[in-house]
This record gives sequence, C-alpha cells and structure tokens, in this order.
Amino acid sequence: EAEVAQSPRYKITEKSQAVAFWCDPISGHATLYWYRQILGQGPELLVQFQDESVVDDSQLPKDRFSAERLKGVDSTLKIQPAELGDSAMYLCASSLAQGIEAFFGQGTRLTVV
Amino acid sequence: AQTVTQSQPEMSVQEAETVTLSCTYDTSENNYYLFWYKQPPSRQMILVIRQEAYKQQNATENRFSVNFQKAAKSFSLKISDSQLGDTAMYFCAFRTDSWGKLQFGAGTQVVVTP
Repeated sequence: EAEVAQSPRYKITEKSQAVAFWCDPISGHATLYWYRQILGQGPELLVQFQDESVVDDSQLPKDRFSAERLKGVDSTLKIQPAELGDSAMYLCASSLAQGIEAFFGQGTRLTVV
Repeated sequence: AQTVTQSQPEMSVQEAETVTLSCTYDTSENNYYLFWYKQPPSRQMILVIRQEAYKQQNATENRFSVNFQKAAKSFSLKISDSQLGDTAMYFCAFRTDSWGKLQFGAGTQVVVTP
C-alpha cells in the first residue's frame, strides 16, 4: 500500500542551527501539505502545495521557515535558525488534486535544545 | 474562520464497551466535509470516517459511526465494541468544499482497558 514517506523520523538540533525535513508523497498526489503538531494539540497547516505552487502559506513563519517542492513531487521544509518553540511533530500529508482524503506520513519529531 | 472544538481531553472505555467522542465546529459555509482521524502512539494519522455535509445519512464504517447534526454543528464519533487497538488520539477535522486545508480540533485521547 502506498504511503507518504518522511525523513528523518526524529531530529535533535541545537538552538540557532538549521534543520531540514523531507517528504515524498504518494505517487500521483498533486496536493502536498506540511502541518506542525505541538504536543497535546491538533495539527496546524504550515504550507500547502498544488504541484509545485504554494497555495497557502499564511501560517508559515517566513522569517525562519521555507518550503519547496521544485518538481511537484517531493518536498523539503527548512527551519533556519531553529528556536526552542519549534519543538514539535512535523507532519506531511498528500492528496489527489480533487481528493477529499488526505494521507499522512509518520512525521518528523523535532526537538530543539 | 472555521473552528473545531473537542471538549473531552481524555476518555477511558473498557474492551467491548461503547464510547462517544464529541466535536463541534463553527463555519458559515454550507458545503464542507468532516472527518475523524486516529493517531496511534508513534504511528501515522489515519482516516477513520468522513461525512459530507450535503448528506443527511450518518456515515458508518464497521464499528465506527457518526452522529452528524448540521443545524447544531455537531459531529460525534461512536466507537462500538471497543478493542485495545482503538487506543489512540482521535482528531475531529473540518474541510470546506473549495479549500484543501484541514482544520483540526485539539484531540481526544481514548484509552481502552482490558
């Protein structure tokens, strides 16, 4: 069964360092989402791509976060510099262009020390 | 702006019993979709059940069923014949027909005990 792949699963980084997460969506899924899930809360959308275009990044802290999906397939989310408050689970999800259901990866758990 | 509220931080249920999770939402849209997602410990979030707002019939998936009350903006999940594998965080989520963003509630931790 096709799955959304994310790496790494866990990441520990020091404050002010740069960190990057990678996501490979299910083949054929044009829509890709990055969510941030703080412990004890529901996920919140950071950025949404339709193919290689950003359609919603209104909640992305653009001074330190960046996301790209250059060829409209896999995607990278970067944080530079990382802050203590960035400690969270970062979830990637994908769906068909007109699909209702979003499929989630296992996430990357980031700890900033 | 749409909001999703789950007022039960944790629910405990014994095996084979039934538990109901509550969810309310706020929107001015008429067409939208509602979802319940399950997030087991250290595993990915998976869709349990979904409901289209234009459908009056409540959705059912095996032991999982919903009570959708559109006028009250309520969307509860009933888990029947609870199993140990149902232990997980359950999130209610909302999505409009024309916009891809999922709006999640804070989640309800369900613990199934032997």
